[in-house]
Amino acid sequence: GNSVTQMEGPVTLSEEAFLTINCTYTATGYPSLFWYVQYPGEGLQLLLKATKADDKGSNKGFEATYRKETTSFHLEKGSVQVSDSAVYFCALIDTGNQFYFGTGTSLTVIP
Amino acid sequence: EAQVTQNPRYLITVTGKKLTVTCSQNMNHEYMSWYRQDPGLGLRQIYYSMNVEVTDKGDVPEGYKVSRKEKRNFPLILESPSPNQTSLYFCASSLTSPQETQYFGPGTRLLVL
Repeated sequence: GNSVTQMEGPVTLSEEAFLTINCTYTATGYPSLFWYVQYPGEGLQLLLKATKADDKGSNKGFEATYRKETTSFHLEKGSVQVSDSAVYFCALIDTGNQFYFGTGTSLTVIP
Repeated sequence: EAQVTQNPRYLITVTGKKLTVTCSQNMNHEYMSWYRQDPGLGLRQIYYSMNVEVTDKGDVPEGYKVSRKEKRNFPLILESPSPNQTSLYFCASSLTSPQETQYFGPGTRLLVL
């Protein structure tokens, strides 16, 4: 079946450090891939997405590239800020319109 | 303001007492969905709806019911809640399909004693 695996957290970084959160997936067919972010006490918000192989999604300095050969969609940011502290979820949607989320990775950025 | 609203935001109940969590969106979205969020498990999809009168099971539908009689509303019904349904529940909607941006409600925290 379909599934998403994210790196375990929590992740703690100093401000301006480089961020990578790993995400790999298992899916039949050609899923679309997403990163959602959840700030404390709020619902999820779409951060970026990619709908086909080699697509790069980007938003607010975050990037992720859809790698079909490695079934991965790692999230990266070159210089994190305190305001990036949140929980990040990798997700996929299959051709049946059902969503699958990873377990989430908590990020804390310290000044 | 475009938004997804859920009520109630917090609920404590007892085993077996039927409850409904309402979800409403004012964006004329066709796709709506319910998720539950549990520590260490992330979000899991309960049910989704592609449009009025069209609903499908997600990953964890057992113990839940939904209905979609109007486009704007998508209530989640727990006919006989049990303690393992204690969780944080999110409703979400998107314009025509989940391939597009999903807008999430603020969440409903449910405790079943």
